[in-house]
Amino acid sequence: GESVGLHLPTLSVQEGDNSIINCAYSNSASDYFIWYKQESGKGPQFIIDIRSNMDKRQGQRVTVLLNKTVKHLSLQIAATQPGDSAVYFCAEVSNDYKLSFGAGTTVTVRA
Amino acid sequence: DVKVTQSSRYLVKRTGEKVFLECVQDMDHENMFWYRQDPGLGLRLIYFSYDVKMKEKGDIPEGYSVSREKKERFSLILESASTNQTSMYLCASSSPGASDSGNTIYFGEGSWLTVV
Repeated sequence: GESVGLHLPTLSVQEGDNSIINCAYSNSASDYFIWYKQESGKGPQFIIDIRSNMDKRQGQRVTVLLNKTVKHLSLQIAATQPGDSAVYFCAEVSNDYKLSFGAGTTVTVRA
Repeated sequence: DVKVTQSSRYLVKRTGEKVFLECVQDMDHENMFWYRQDPGLGLRLIYFSYDVKMKEKGDIPEGYSVSREKKERFSLILESASTNQTSMYLCASSSPGASDSGNTIYFGEGSWLTVV
């Protein structure tokens, strides 16, 4: 499943499929980006990050892609599992270490 | 393991009461932040601090103040709570150059405040 375009607030994915969550950021001077996962009633949990001098970074089952030309960030989750159901936020970090968050995408995994 | 601890998970306060939300981090981070999170509005920065006794206003500081007397502790204060301050409050911390990839920012579990 994929959230297409600038932002889709919800994404429904079949268990075992790959998920793609998209995010547009606003500040072309931002040089660091983070993806967070937030489960119901909990604080945001760090997933993966990327600096602006990279265009791809991989973690365990997750990949972040950065396209600075169009100011676009995406998170790919391989083989989506029920435990991946959560709200996912992208964040851009400015040079004074403040974060600006995207609106968030709610991912629901169907069994 | 990284740890940002918010001492109060759930609070109910009356309008006009003074409220303290406490946050402690054990990573020796210089930077600490307070956000509030509301449905449809996302996370909004209230205040942040990049050193002991230093503080900077975020995007929505009105009605709030902060205190950073020790490096590991950052307190959010509502001098006179109002119903529009009912929200989830999130504390976070980071350190410049803490990792090869960037200034990773870690969050606490959140404090749910209801003002009645």
